[in-house]
Amino acid sequence: GENVEQHPSTLSVQEGDSAVIKCTYSDSASNYFPWYKQELGKRPQLIIDIRSNVGEKKDQRIAVTLNKTAKHFSLHITETQPEDSAVYFCAAMVTGGGNKLTFGTGTQLKVEL
Amino acid sequence: NAGVMQNPRHLVRRRGQEARLRCSPMKGHSHVYWYRQLPEEGLKFMVYLQKENIIDESGMPKERFSAEFPKEGPSILRIQQVVRGDSAAYFCASSPGQGYTFGSGTRLTVV
Repeated sequence: GENVEQHPSTLSVQEGDSAVIKCTYSDSASNYFPWYKQELGKRPQLIIDIRSNVGEKKDQRIAVTLNKTAKHFSLHITETQPEDSAVYFCAAMVTGGGNKLTFGTGTQLKVEL
Repeated sequence: NAGVMQNPRHLVRRRGQEARLRCSPMKGHSHVYWYRQLPEEGLKFMVYLQKENIIDESGMPKERFSAEFPKEGPSILRIQQVVRGDSAAYFCASSPGQGYTFGSGTRLTVV
């Protein structure tokens, strides 16, 4: 089955700096890669996703890149703000094959003033 | 659209009791997924259901855990004879086919 690895497990940045979180996946059939943000005690919320026919996607301060050959994808947050502090999870899915998401282990992002 | 509704939000059970967690998917969504999140860990897939059918239960423990999604009513995740290791947050997600929306979760504490 699919295996998703995520690094780093914790990340501390100064407000205004950029943050990068990286994930690798094992199943070359995976073709959908969402990122979720989870604040303490709350539900995971989808912040951005990318499909395998696209190499990069951007939404304001958030961008995701995908390298299918190397089987890795990354989340980039620019101009970080304190409200970006949360746990971020990457995930991978084979669409049409049960649509089961396999999650990474999460990155605790702390944006310091 | 009220989103994915889970109840109860918090559930305390003594060891050996049964826990029933309910999930009502978003209107128009026919796919329901259950995930478990242990403290400070990621989300682990448990089971995928469509109305009246279990599609994939590869993540469900072999004993004590069961799930259903009846024709009418919410999806139910049932844990019999709970043990302390069952303490976790259980999230339900629904989908129209692709893309998930998660509920707020049920936090189960076994004492």
